[in-house]
Amino acid sequence: EISLTQSPDTLSLSPGERATLSCRASPSLDSDFVAWYQQKPGQAPRLLVYGASNRATGIPDRFSGSASGTDFTLTISRLEPEDSAVYHCQQFANPPYTFGPGTIVEIK
Amino acid sequence: QITLKESGPTLVKPTQTLTLTCTVSGFSVSASGAAVAWIRQPPGKALEWLALIFWDDDKRYRASLKSRLTITKDTSKNQVVLTMTNMDPVDTGTYYCARSGTAPSFGTSYFFDQWGQGALVSVSS
Repeated sequence: EISLTQSPDTLSLSPGERATLSCRASPSLDSDFVAWYQQKPGQAPRLLVYGASNRATGIPDRFSGSASGTDFTLTISRLEPEDSAVYHCQQFANPPYTFGPGTIVEIK
Repeated sequence: QITLKESGPTLVKPTQTLTLTCTVSGFSVSASGAAVAWIRQPPGKALEWLALIFWDDDKRYRASLKSRLTITKDTSKNQVVLTMTNMDPVDTGTYYCARSGTAPSFGTSYFFDQWGQGALVSVSS
């Protein structure tokens, strides 16, 4: 089973700042098979990025994904108040299709 | 507009069987390329993929839970049903159904682009 770890656990930033969220896979996996989701309290997850760097339909271009080896990154270029949420990474390379524990993004 | 909606009991007793229904609108669960999954989230924990059914009735299960899970679809009602036997308090959580995403480079894949609102299930005597 591929394990995903996310860092940091919590990120507290001001509106307009840049957020960098990390996800690491162990063992390694094909970098194309990673997705990122946003989940707000009491809501279902929302797909942001798939295939490491493809934005889902309707997702603002301030959200971007990238991959380097076993490390995957979600960047929110200019934080807005509505970006306050938990962000999950997911690998869909090998079953079982696992999710990371999440990074909490707080907007000051 | 695509919607998925979970329904089922909010409380089950240990050892009982859980049956959850996902009612889909906006796409057909039997249309070529369609697939629907069940994913759960224990309180305060990570999301956990459970099972997936393809349009052609091919099925995939989480290996560690395979003996307890059954996923089926009712094309006449456009629904996907998950049953989980021998429920335990550790199975408490929110259960989501979700549509598999598709993309030119992946085909029908195992990321999820549309989710239901979730059904909270508690397991307690």
